[in-house]
Amino acid sequence: QSVLTQPPSASGTPGQRVTISCSGSSSNIGSNTVNWYQQLPGTAPKLLIYSNNQRPSGVPDRFSGSKSGTSASLAISGLQSEDEADYYCAAWDDSLIWVFGGGTKLTVL
Amino acid sequence: QLQLQESGPGLVKPSETLSLTCTVSGGSISSSSYYWGWIRQPPGKGLEWIGSIYYSGSTYYNPSLKSRVTISVDTSKNQFSLKLSSVTAADTAVYYCARRHNYYDSSGYYYGCAFDIWGQGTMVTVSS
Repeated sequence: QSVLTQPPSASGTPGQRVTISCSGSSSNIGSNTVNWYQQLPGTAPKLLIYSNNQRPSGVPDRFSGSKSGTSASLAISGLQSEDEADYYCAAWDDSLIWVFGGGTKLTVL
Repeated sequence: QLQLQESGPGLVKPSETLSLTCTVSGGSISSSSYYWGWIRQPPGKGLEWIGSIYYSGSTYYNPSLKSRVTISVDTSKNQFSLKLSSVTAADTAVYYCARRHNYYDSSGYYYGCAFDIWGQGTMVTVSS
């Protein structure tokens, strides 16, 4: 059971906007920043969002992140077929451990 | 372009020690800006952080694995390594090494960190 809670699945049609939630507690999301990773099938995770809402160079601005209290969200606008992947949230926990969400499988219908 | 590459046996017997090495190329492991970490992913499951190390040798581990984990660094070879002892089938996973990047704004204010560069991963199966 993961420390951060994500919905196991999400879906949308091309062009739609999809959001994925990540719920934690005061010791992780509530007091530290949130990162999001995209994992395409058979590949390593790729950093998508860091420090709640910052995009690394090369990540399209269709991807955005936000945080409020002990929850965070990843939004994908203008959904494309190549966005079909697993998405993970992560945060540092004050108990000195990195914690991850269980992952959300995004399907583009 | 910094790259990380995991290497080590793909098959380990139960009760033995899993040993992996991560080779860093295109940059120095001795940079003061980064920590280096190991993360694993059992087949069909999510990500689990194992532990991290600084080039000086300072380490911190996942408490759930701490009694079995040792992470070390060899700056002369630009490598860091993972040893996981007394393995069982539950340790079967893809093991990733990654760089942890600290982020600062123009004023030097720290505003977070993340594993920003990952190796391709190596599958380790624990079986007799």
